[in-house]
Amino acid sequence: QKEVEQNSGPLSVPEGAIASLNCTYSDRGSQSFFWYRQYSGKSPELIMFIYSNGDKEDGRFTAQLNKASQYVSLLIRDSQPSDSATYLCAVPVGGGADGLTFGKGTHLIIQP
Amino acid sequence: NAGVTQTPKFQVLKTGQSMTLQCAQDMNHNSMYWYRQDPGMGLRLIYYSASEGTTDKGEVPNGYNVSRLNKREFSLRLESAAPSQTSVYFCASRAITEAFFGQGTRLTVV
Repeated sequence: QKEVEQNSGPLSVPEGAIASLNCTYSDRGSQSFFWYRQYSGKSPELIMFIYSNGDKEDGRFTAQLNKASQYVSLLIRDSQPSDSATYLCAVPVGGGADGLTFGKGTHLIIQP
Repeated sequence: NAGVTQTPKFQVLKTGQSMTLQCAQDMNHNSMYWYRQDPGMGLRLIYYSASEGTTDKGEVPNGYNVSRLNKREFSLRLESAAPSQTSVYFCASRAITEAFFGQGTRLTVV
């Protein structure tokens, strides 16, 4: 069973700063990862999919994958109060369509 | 483009009642999923369907059944609801590099 670990937080970051969210995973064979944002009472929204080692950037979001150390991180630049949410990391269960295993999420608070 | 649509959004059941949660996607994805989300437990996979005509158990399948009606639709049925099934249920569909969720169904079993 693949496991995904995240610090539950809350992680408090001042507005305009960089928020750094981390996720570790148990299966060294995991190849790809998803990051989601979930506002309270809402469904998870896809932020990023990352497959390769290194960085992937999309707007204010950068995902970093380090397979050797088995962690994936999400950086949010110029944090805004609207970024306050729970961020979920997920890894595919199998090589195909077997679903995603989710971490329990990190609660992020951006302080104005 | 609606993405993933699930109904109903809210439901209250009495113990022992049955109900079906409906889900449809318009992204032409082969794979569809049902998750439940509980405080402190995160998202847990109930059942999934890798393609039309196939279904498989996930992490927490007991008390549930599913039907993949066609490529677009994947339903979740509770035959005899129990208070332990009080949760928020999410349907999702997936391609290799993307996975999208429906709006969720908040189910309370009393």
